[in-house]
Amino acid sequence: KAGVTQTPRYLIKTRGQQVTLSCSPISGHRSVSWYQQTPGQGLQFLFEYFSETQRNKGNFPGRFSGRQFSNSRSEMNVSTLELGDSALYLCASSVQTPPNNEQFFGPGTRLTVL
Amino acid sequence: SQQGEEDPQALSIQEGENATMNCSYKTSINNLQWYRQNSGRGLVHLILIRSNEREKHSGRLRVTLDTSKKSSSLLITASRAADTASYFCATLTYNQGGKLIFGQGTELSVKP
Repeated sequence: KAGVTQTPRYLIKTRGQQVTLSCSPISGHRSVSWYQQTPGQGLQFLFEYFSETQRNKGNFPGRFSGRQFSNSRSEMNVSTLELGDSALYLCASSVQTPPNNEQFFGPGTRLTVL
Repeated sequence: SQQGEEDPQALSIQEGENATMNCSYKTSINNLQWYRQNSGRGLVHLILIRSNEREKHSGRLRVTLDTSKKSSSLLITASRAADTASYFCATLTYNQGGKLIFGQGTELSVKP
């Protein structure tokens, strides 16, 4: 089975621009979660989707949004980029809504905002 | 916000030695998971321990959970250079769906 894939792997943007990141979960997985990883704040939860519905949201400003499609693929969008948005963005998928489900992480998208 | 803290922040050992990492958390949990990350890449799931379990083994890994102290430890026995990575604990709390709350991680360096 193919693992979680994320595209693009690397991205460079300038302040004020917007960006869309994509995540394809493992086949058969219906739950997708997104995390932001920075040296200062560590790994922080962004949001979780299950069957196209956002089930949970972290403490991030409204510039961060996401969605999930009927095939379980998910996208996250960041508008009006700030320097502090530079981070590794990770998505994870699981068979169904946790708990007690292992979450499988993708390789991440490294976003640099100049 | 981080659920807990990991200790030590960095650990350097020789191949063949055991490595122990500790994790403390703040709220009641459903389960606790340990992940490994190599050089800023994706996270690899190592082991999950439920709140009603006290110890779990997987190959060279041994995880303990003490819910009364809100703490967990990860032991890697007979470490190898390939174990060099950052290790994170993550907790899943009740009624929070799949929201994992991660610790700051322990950076393990295993020297050949």
